[in-house]
Amino acid sequence: ETGVTQSPTHLIKTRGQQVTLRCSSQSGHNTVSWYQQALGQGPQFIFQYYREEENGRGNFPPRFSGLQFPNYSSELNVNALELDDSALYLCASSPRLAGETQYFGPGTRLLVL
Amino acid sequence: TQLLEQSPQFLSIQEGENLTVYCNSSSVFSSLQWYRQEPGEGPVLLVTVVTGGEVKKLKRLTFQFGDARKDSSLHITAAQPGDTGLYLCAGAEPGNQFYFGTGTSLTVIP
Repeated sequence: ETGVTQSPTHLIKTRGQQVTLRCSSQSGHNTVSWYQQALGQGPQFIFQYYREEENGRGNFPPRFSGLQFPNYSSELNVNALELDDSALYLCASSPRLAGETQYFGPGTRLLVL
Repeated sequence: TQLLEQSPQFLSIQEGENLTVYCNSSSVFSSLQWYRQEPGEGPVLLVTVVTGGEVKKLKRLTFQFGDARKDSSLHITAAQPGDTGLYLCAGAEPGNQFYFGTGTSLTVIP
């Protein structure tokens, strides 16, 4: 059974650019959640996708958007990057809705200069 | 916005000592999870507690979910250097949305 994978592992962008981060969910999992984790803090919920539809969103502006594909993999897109977007971006997958355990990928470290 | 407060924020202890980490919220959660995270990696699930008052043991780690399902604690007995890491609690709402605590950074000194 393959776990959650994310790409790329590290990324450096400049302010104003756009970035796309990718996540492959664990086999059999149809729910993917994205989190932003600033250094020394707990992860902050960005949004969740269930069967290709957004299923909830945290307190993030619209320049954070996402997609889920038929194979349940997912993308996180961030437009007009700001310095404060520098963080570890984590993807987590789970089997279905309603409180199921989620499994995290290793994350993508984004640095915005 | 849900908020889970963890205490202490930082903890540095000697190998062999015991410790307790607390996770408190004013909100009720359908379940609560504890994770450990090492630098540069994603959080790794340690345990999920679902029932108010539930106690789960995982070797030297004991997890408790409060009766009202608003708070939880993690107790480590005879800490070892391998226990070093960032400990995170996360509360789950119906609909599978998770809210993480502020984290407790544990250092166990050999």
